[in-house]
Amino acid sequence: KAGVTQTPRYLIKTRGQQVTLSCSPISGHRSVSWYQQTPGQGLQFLFEYFSETQRNKGNFPGRFSGRQFSNSRSEMNVSTLELGDSALYLCASSPGNDYGYTFGSGTRLTVV
Amino acid sequence: AQTVTQSQPEMSVQEAETVTLSCTYDTSESNYYLFWYKQPPSRQMILVIRQEAYKQQNATENRFSVNFQKAAKSFSLKISDSQLGDTAMYFCAFMTTSGTYKYIFGTGTRLKVLA
Repeated sequence: KAGVTQTPRYLIKTRGQQVTLSCSPISGHRSVSWYQQTPGQGLQFLFEYFSETQRNKGNFPGRFSGRQFSNSRSEMNVSTLELGDSALYLCASSPGNDYGYTFGSGTRLTVV
Repeated sequence: AQTVTQSQPEMSVQEAETVTLSCTYDTSESNYYLFWYKQPPSRQMILVIRQEAYKQQNATENRFSVNFQKAAKSFSLKISDSQLGDTAMYFCAFMTTSGTYKYIFGTGTRLKVLA
């Protein structure tokens, strides 16, 4: 059974650019969540999608957005990148209950 | 608002010995879930153990067990017979059952198992 797949693994962007990260959940999982991990702030919740609807959102500016497709794959977009957006972005999927999430290996975004 | 506190930034343990990682949390909810996740250098967060707040029995998964004290809002992880592969960051996480479906993570404990 394939795990949660995130692409790309590494990304380098310059300030002001935008970026799109992709996440393919485990087959059958309808819930996809995104987290930002930085040394200073730790793991912070970005948003969660379930059946193509954003069900919950964290305290991030509107530059951070996401969506989920009918096949449950999800994308996260960050516009007008800032140096502080450099982080590991983790995607996690779940069948939709409270059992717990399976995480991907993350996308390491570096903004220069 | 819920908070999760891991007061031990770093710990080390000799191979084959036992170590306990501490976690405390704060919530006004009565029903919730608690988790321990492990993040090795490969970066992938791996679920170690899960505890449902309404269950009094402590969860156990092979060498990993928890000491869940609901009244004290404490959720510690005990690793028995530590192995070199246990070297990783360990995160305690809280999730309510109120439908928000988001984790509140602690700041993590870096565990190093020494040969």
